[in-house]
Amino acid sequence: ILNVEQSPQSLHVQEGDSTNFTCSFPSSNFYALHWYRWETAKSPEALFVMTLNGDEKKKGRISATLNTKEGYSYLYIKGSQPEDSATYLCAFLNTGNQFYFGTGTSLTVIP
Amino acid sequence: SAVISQKPSRDICQRGTSLTIQCQVDSQVTMMFWYRQQPGQSLTLIATANQGSEATYESGFVIDKFPISRPNLTFSTLTVSNMSPEDSSIYLCSVEDHGSTGWYGYTFGSGTRLTVV
Repeated sequence: ILNVEQSPQSLHVQEGDSTNFTCSFPSSNFYALHWYRWETAKSPEALFVMTLNGDEKKKGRISATLNTKEGYSYLYIKGSQPEDSATYLCAFLNTGNQFYFGTGTSLTVIP
Repeated sequence: SAVISQKPSRDICQRGTSLTIQCQVDSQVTMMFWYRQQPGQSLTLIATANQGSEATYESGFVIDKFPISRPNLTFSTLTVSNMSPEDSSIYLCSVEDHGSTGWYGYTFGSGTRLTVV
């Protein structure tokens, strides 16, 4: 089993603050990196699918970058809102079609 | 993207009993995936369910403990058999989400939160 690590494990920020967290994954046999947002009692929702080194993707106030050579991705949230409170999961897909999730970063935005 | 209806959403079960979780997809899909998230752990793939053939189980998971049915291209069930407190987890089904412009990732059911007492 490969290690996909996310940090921090949990995060509390004030409304309006910007924040970011990290996903680390193996740099070999890379195929794709996914980010999901998982709110309590709901389905994980796909945010980004990233495949190319140097990729930057943006969806509203949320953006992500990808470095496949060093094996990390950052997720940024600008101007956090209470509705951003969720667990953010990254998942690494390798060329063998194996899919590994990180343990997630739990974000709480305090009004 | 596909929409998945998963039930039950939660259950509290006695040890030694079994629970069957159902997932219904609103479109035909070749593969359905079953995941488990134990407290404090990552989402871990249990098995891949293919229509018309036996499910493919990941290392550490066996058919006797987690029997899977896949009677057609829109439906699957996962049974957690002879449950113990260690089976207390969130169980999720998912499918690949392919759109007209590419691959969007995976779509998940809303999960089944199982507590075994």
